[in-house]
Amino acid sequence: GAVVSQHPSWVICKSGTSVKIECRSLDFQATTMFWYRQFPKQSLMLMATSNEGSKATYEQGVEKDKFLINHASLTLSTLTVTSAHPEDSSFYICSARGRKVVYGYTFGSGTRLTVV
Amino acid sequence: KQEVTQIPAALSVPEGENLVLNCSFTDSAIYNLQWFRQDPGKGLTSLLLIQSSQREQTSGRLNASLDKSSGRSTLYIAASQPGDSATYLCAVITGANSKLTFGKGITLSVRP
Repeated sequence: GAVVSQHPSWVICKSGTSVKIECRSLDFQATTMFWYRQFPKQSLMLMATSNEGSKATYEQGVEKDKFLINHASLTLSTLTVTSAHPEDSSFYICSARGRKVVYGYTFGSGTRLTVV
Repeated sequence: KQEVTQIPAALSVPEGENLVLNCSFTDSAIYNLQWFRQDPGKGLTSLLLIQSSQREQTSGRLNASLDKSSGRSTLYIAASQPGDSATYLCAVITGANSKLTFGKGITLSVRP
């Protein structure tokens, strides 16, 4: 089945530094990737949608300059949290979809970001 | 705007019980519906995918049904086990942008 690999699984960084999270589709071409944020005991909140080779589309209220998304290839998307602050601490999850919507979505295992 | 509802928010059952998790959605024009499982601190694992032309899908002890016209889906778990304890999320894909719309999930606890 479709597999999405997300790294790192957890990261601790100092306030003011930047952190990059990778999301790779291992056995299919991910034409569209999605980045979510999840707060404790809450559902997933879509942050942005990225299509390979084009700029990401951000959801309302998401700072595009803070959360930089790159989808340079059909198998890799990255989320960079720039100048991280403690309020950026959260669980970030990526999702990937192939060319055909009917095959559904595959999610990564998530990244726990803690900013100290 | 598509809205997905899952009720109740939490459920606790004894081991061995058969159970049904419900999901309802407001816009019946969906491409497909997926049921996911999420363990604490983990990502989402896809359990079953039902395409809009299908009425049900089965995988092991899991069976998911879809009634598009009434905007409902159910996930049936047979002979529940403590290892089934997790949060179960229902999500539908609608619209030209094909985004997933999630319910808030049902947190299931299966007691030994």
